[in-house]
Amino acid sequence: AQKVTQAQTEISVVEKEDVTLDCVYETRDTTYYLFWYKQPPSGELVFLIRRNSFDEQNEISGRYSWNFQKSTSSFNFTITASQVVDSAVYFCALSGVNSGTYKYIFGTGTRLKVLA
Amino acid sequence: DVKVTQSSRYLVKRTGEKVFLECVQDMDHENMFWYRQDPGLGLRLIYFSYDVKMKEKGDIPEGYSVSREKKERFSLILESASTNQTSMYLCASTHRGSGRESEQYFGPGTRLTVT
Repeated sequence: AQKVTQAQTEISVVEKEDVTLDCVYETRDTTYYLFWYKQPPSGELVFLIRRNSFDEQNEISGRYSWNFQKSTSSFNFTITASQVVDSAVYFCALSGVNSGTYKYIFGTGTRLKVLA
Repeated sequence: DVKVTQSSRYLVKRTGEKVFLECVQDMDHENMFWYRQDPGLGLRLIYFSYDVKMKEKGDIPEGYSVSREKKERFSLILESASTNQTSMYLCASTHRGSGRESEQYFGPGTRLTVT
């Protein structure tokens, strides 16, 4: 079975603080992909990043960075120097190539509130 | 610019009504998906389609059906709406291409209230 766990339901930080959103996944697939999406108050999920199971290199994009560790089955997302515009619900998702179906498994999301 | 549109942002229907939610994508994507989003439960897959006239059940198909007569359009149908179907409904699409690694493109969502 595949599963994505985002244990943090809601996080509140003050602007300019760094914040890490946790994502832990379970899969038996040897090849899989992990994603992060942002859902601002407008409602539309926006794709942020994709990682495949063979690439454990961390990635940085501006104030965003991602840490993928297969040993702990985690794909954590860090926002550095948070801003009010980062306030949103963030979803981690998993897609397994070997599972034989076009399914993406989503976590329950983490609501991030950045206070001015 | 990539675009997925949904027919309504907000919809209010009465119990027992037949409800149609429409989704259109302009990216020539093969795969289309319907999710519902509820607080604390994240996104749950209702149905998906990987080609015209093809469909597969997701995790919570009960009470729903779908139609895909054209590649760009994927409709979700609530045959007889019930109050427990009050939710946010999200449509998404992906390119089949090289497999499941494609990111999904989402519509803005339809917030359905059944009274």
